[in-house]
Amino acid sequence: EAGVAQSPRYKIIEKRQSVAFWCNPISGHATLYWYQQILGQGPKLLIQFQNNGVVDDSQLPKDRFSAERLKGVDSTLKIQPAKLEDSAVYLCASTLGGLGELFFGEGSRLTVL
Amino acid sequence: KNEVEQSPQNLTAQEGEFITINCSYSVGISALHWLQQHPGGGIVSLFMLSSGKKKHGRLIATINIQEKHSSLHITASHPRDSAVYICAVHRNNDMRFGAGTRLTVKP
Repeated sequence: EAGVAQSPRYKIIEKRQSVAFWCNPISGHATLYWYQQILGQGPKLLIQFQNNGVVDDSQLPKDRFSAERLKGVDSTLKIQPAKLEDSAVYLCASTLGGLGELFFGEGSRLTVL
Repeated sequence: KNEVEQSPQNLTAQEGEFITINCSYSVGISALHWLQQHPGGGIVSLFMLSSGKKKHGRLIATINIQEKHSSLHITASHPRDSAVYICAVHRNNDMRFGAGTRLTVKP
């Protein structure tokens, strides 16, 4: 079974530039999460999708972050414009639904200079 | 105060030692996850539990719902167990994560 795929693995940009991350969850998984993990901290939820609908985006900084999951399968997370404090690993995870086991991607490490 | 607190933050052990990592939470939950994160790697789910105890190989996870507390135990620890162990609580559609416990097992 293929796992959660994320790309790119690494990205270095300058502040005020934009960046996009892509996630393809495990086939059939209805629930998709984007998390931000700053070095030394636990993951923080940015947004949760159930199929193509947003369940929770209360912690997403909407002035600069956006995410979509138009067809209820893969998802993109965009940051525009990036700030220094956005340097982090962006993790995508998926579950079948409800209280299912979480499956994480390898993450996309962003460095903002 | 973080809703999910883990202790210790850092733990160094000698190979073969018995290890305990603790997680306390302050909200009602429907399930608790223990996750493992290796340096530079993704996160792997070790356990999901809502009551009692689960065992997988040398790993044991327990949860006390009344006390809002969970423990992850590693028996006969090995250097390959070195990783960050993260406790996460699941409530409704929401997940909250602890900051993680960094475990280093020395040969």
